Amino acid sequence: GENVEQHPSTLSVQEGDSAVIKCTYSDSASNYFPWYKQELGKRPQLIIDIRSNVGEKKDQRIAVTLNKTAKHFSLHITETQPEDSAVYFCAASGSSNTGKLIFGQGTTLQVKP
Amino acid sequence: DTAVSQTPKYLVTQMGNDKSIKCEQNLGHDTMYWYKQDSKKFLKIMFSYNNKELIINETVPNRFSPKSPDKAHLNLHINSLELGDSAVYFCASSKSGTKYNEQFFGPGTRLTVL
Repeated sequence: GENVEQHPSTLSVQEGDSAVIKCTYSDSASNYFPWYKQELGKRPQLIIDIRSNVGEKKDQRIAVTLNKTAKHFSLHITETQPEDSAVYFCAASGSSNTGKLIFGQGTTLQVKP
Repeated sequence: DTAVSQTPKYLVTQMGNDKSIKCEQNLGHDTMYWYKQDSKKFLKIMFSYNNKELIINETVPNRFSPKSPDKAHLNLHINSLELGDSAVYFCASSKSGTKYNEQFFGPGTRLTVL
């Protein structure tokens, strides 16, 4: 079945360090991979996404990489700041063309000042 | 200037009761979703409607019934509430029911069943 595994479940870094969150998906038909950030008590919000025809995408301090062969994708945050502290979710599109997203379990990132 | 709104924000009720959560979006999107986020923060799709037509219906107890009166609204009715229904329910919308469109989430409804 469709499944997305996300690691680590918690991540603590010092301000200014980099953070990397990794995801693995099971459905080889998945071709869209968004990342959502959810601050405490707030709604999930899209921060970056990547399609399967691209290997890497950057937006200022965040970047996402995709390895379709290995069915891995990763989120990289550089120069972390305390406001980056949140729960981050990776997701993969389902095999049907319905907009269905299968989410990973989430990573709680804590950036210590 | 709220994009996706939900009411109520908090809902506390007894086991066995029936309750509804309402969702509205003013983004002009034609696809709307319901997600359940449990106590471990796991986000799982429940339902999706595209132009008032049900297109995603995951393995959800039939006590849960979505209703979409028009493209801008998607409501969730829950019958015979159980303790395990306690969670945060998020509504979301996107431009169309295809894979590549950003989903915009509502603020969530925290349901507590006592």
